Amino acid sequence: DAKTTQPTSMDCAEGRAANLPCNHSTISGNEYVYWYRQIHSQGPQYIIHGLKNNETNEMASLIITEDRKSSTLILPHATLRDTAVYYCIVRVPGGMRFGAGTRLTVKP
Amino acid sequence: ETGVTQSPTHLIKTRGQQVTLRCSSQSGHNTVSWYQQALGQGPQFIFQYYREEENGRGNFPPRFSGLQFPNYSSELNVNALELDDSALYLCASSLVGADTQYFGPGTRLTVL
Repeated sequence: DAKTTQPTSMDCAEGRAANLPCNHSTISGNEYVYWYRQIHSQGPQYIIHGLKNNETNEMASLIITEDRKSSTLILPHATLRDTAVYYCIVRVPGGMRFGAGTRLTVKP
Repeated sequence: ETGVTQSPTHLIKTRGQQVTLRCSSQSGHNTVSWYQQALGQGPQFIFQYYREEENGRGNFPPRFSGLQFPNYSSELNVNALELDDSALYLCASSLVGADTQYFGPGTRLTVL
């Protein structure tokens, strides 16, 4: 019962910005959007989250549209170590509902 | 600050057996959640514990049960193991009222 839609896979050149889109058209007014990533067989790593304002931290930027129906995670200068599965999650009470995520491959 | 730890790293069991997986929360975190991740899929929420009581559950049968201890560490117990229970089991901790969850490295369970 994931509430988000993401592309299955994306490629990005090393050093370029990686822009990962996510649709969450049924999001409610008080639900946050979270992004995690998972490098092969490791535990998911928290990246960033937001409600309606754009957010930035040392890892990434999160751009949320004004109607909150979609968002974009931006990795400003992708490196080979950013190759991972990226999950966009709408937080619901009790636990995170993960979808299948986007497999990002950063290429030299 | 100590992160989330899980034990064991890997485990092999036989169908019908029982298994206990363990998790130590990040320092100061009082809520723990458990997830099952089958190969090639995203993590699926099993349940969450707060104040030693179950505080939310996903679509998993009762043979999946848990415990949270006063020091906030936690156990996941699975009875009557089935082949489909083979997966990576992830534990995540958080502070109640704060939604960000921090995950451990997981336990890889193989059921033969």
